[in-house]
Amino acid sequence: SYELTQPPSVSVSPGQTARITCSADALPKQYAYWYQQKPGQAPVLVIYKDSERPSGIPERFSGSSSGTTVTLTISGVQAEDEADYYCQSADSSGTVVFGGGTKLTVL
Amino acid sequence: EVQLVQSGAEVKKSGESLKISCKASGYSFTSYWIGWVRQMPGKGLEWMGIIYPGDSDTRYSPSFQGQVTISADKSISTAYLQWSSLKASDTAMYYCARCHRIGYIDAFDIWGQGTMVTVSS
Repeated sequence: SYELTQPPSVSVSPGQTARITCSADALPKQYAYWYQQKPGQAPVLVIYKDSERPSGIPERFSGSSSGTTVTLTISGVQAEDEADYYCQSADSSGTVVFGGGTKLTVL
Repeated sequence: EVQLVQSGAEVKKSGESLKISCKASGYSFTSYWIGWVRQMPGKGLEWMGIIYPGDSDTRYSPSFQGQVTISADKSISTAYLQWSSLKASDTAMYYCARCHRIGYIDAFDIWGQGTMVTVSS
């Protein structure tokens, strides 16, 4: 098992680009997945396999990977994007791990 | 429509037992892993464990091993999470969630609505 580290908070103004990082503490890095969770709601998958976007997720959500760090990028942030974001991965033994979460504030 | 519907909110006392459920519909229940995730009030997501209903292969987070039991009933497409003796610290929202790809433990693409468990001491 390993750990995923996210910044506790990120703030951006509407229309700007938000970047949320997720760092793994071990190699090899497995695929990462990203979830958006709004207050009182269940999480929603927004990115899978580092950079794939599920159907119905706006194009402004994208993901990338470099070394042991993955990044969720939200381009042209809208007020409705204010939420908690979690990264997640699964190691080769099937152990799942979540990052601690990042609160995105739209100023 | 693919969906997971969880059982309703529970209010219990410390020491009591509890079994909550997650009923799947709209897909082949035995082909996808289903996981359970805890979210304590105001806190982040914690993975508890996961089961493959096809053969009941079950994996647990070390943090939850021995504290809960995960099971599934193929005949009614339902997964379960149970406690034999609840503690006040078990107070949380519990989500079930289905993995994205057949036979793989990966992203959780379908989530239940959550079951709130409140345990009083």
